[in-house]
Amino acid sequence: QVQLVQSGSELKKPGASVKVSCKASGYTFTNFAINWVRQAPGQGLEWMGVINTNTGRPIYAQGFTGRFVFSLDTSVTTAYLQISDLKTEDTALYYCAKAAPSYNYFDNWGQGTLVTVSS
Amino acid sequence: DIVVTQSPDSLAVSLGERATISCKSSQSVLYSSNNKNYLAWYQQKPGQPPKLLIYWASTRESGVPDRFSGSGSGTDFTLTIGSLQAEDVAVYYCQQYYRTPYTFGQGTKLEIK
Repeated sequence: QVQLVQSGSELKKPGASVKVSCKASGYTFTNFAINWVRQAPGQGLEWMGVINTNTGRPIYAQGFTGRFVFSLDTSVTTAYLQISDLKTEDTALYYCAKAAPSYNYFDNWGQGTLVTVSS
Repeated sequence: DIVVTQSPDSLAVSLGERATISCKSSQSVLYSSNNKNYLAWYQQKPGQPPKLLIYWASTRESGVPDRFSGSGSGTDFTLTIGSLQAEDVAVYYCQQYYRTPYTFGQGTKLEIK
């Protein structure tokens, strides 16, 4: 069955960087895009962007350009989210989500990675 | 950007009763070439990731109980839970995937009365 397994919680200081991984299994990784979604504490879902797992081309939502980078390692069927120059307002749960065939609703989600930024 | 607005923000319904959540988009998400509405519904239970319930506005995901149904077209959509069960307590989100950025509604918290 399809599974997306994310890396564990992270505690970082402001100004540091973090890299969250999303390991996919149970399907052909390069056939379906991976989306990233942020959920701040007690808040709703915010789409950060998507990466085409065939071409590696990312699309970033406004507000997630510059410090946020999506990447892939197709040899290990893993997508990554890297955030640099962390700020306290980056504290959130970060989810990866697999796109459905040919369309971008999200049919499978990772369990989420909590990133806490605190001095 | 397409703004997606849900109502109400919270809802309390008795067990066995019907629950209805509204979702409105600022622009039509109906794609004329295939007559499909690019609108999905998700359920998020406490401490869990969201789960896909409905896509194309009215198509239930495999395994989703048939008490969940979606309707609407263009800019106005509804999620209906036909007979509320205790396990349906959750926050429900709609999302448009017509155009990037793929925006979510703010969520509707469903509780038992």
